[in-house]
Amino acid sequence: AQSVTQLGSHVSVSEGALVLLRCNYSSSVPPYLFWYVQYPNQGLQLLLKYTSAATLVKGINGFEAEFKKSETSFHLTKPSAHMSDAAEYFCAASGSARQLTFGSGTQLTVLP
Amino acid sequence: DAGVTQSPTHLIKTRGQHVTLRCSPISGHKSVSWYQQVLGQGPQFIFQYYEKEERGRGNFPDRFSARQFPNYSSELNVNALLLGDSALYLCASSSTFITTGTNYGYTFGSGTRLTVV
Repeated sequence: AQSVTQLGSHVSVSEGALVLLRCNYSSSVPPYLFWYVQYPNQGLQLLLKYTSAATLVKGINGFEAEFKKSETSFHLTKPSAHMSDAAEYFCAASGSARQLTFGSGTQLTVLP
Repeated sequence: DAGVTQSPTHLIKTRGQHVTLRCSPISGHKSVSWYQQVLGQGPQFIFQYYEKEERGRGNFPDRFSARQFPNYSSELNVNALLLGDSALYLCASSSTFITTGTNYGYTFGSGTRLTVV
């Protein structure tokens, strides 16, 4: 069965600093991987996805993630944080079962 | 183009009651999935439907049921509501059930916030 682990339930960065949100997956077969963002009282918005086409994936709002099979990781980064990036971020994996398995989420706080 | 639409947006029910949540997928999408997101947690998979057939079910009790209609819209039904059913219920649509590489993905609606009192 798939499992997704997000290290750090809360991450704080200063505006303009690097954002790094960590995600590790557990699977015998490299799955499809996703990062979603959720603003308060809203649904999930897709930031980016890995579908085996390229290991470095670029998404919306300047975010990108790199698939590393040897480390079973799919960490999310952004070079320079903006106040509007404050939100909850979820990593998710999907394998042969087609359903999404989500991590527990990381709340990103951006400090002025 | 309209995205995934869910109704109602908010709902308050009493323990023991029944609730029906509705979802309309993106036009042309034939797969609908339901997720439950309890406050402070990641979403948990409940059901997936494709072409009106159940294709997957998560670890939820039989009080939870769903169906998909010929127009690909979907309903999630929950009977005998418990306080623990209070959550944000998310619907996601996808164009296909079959993995097709870069086209594979899900679009989520804004959810229905269910409060059981």
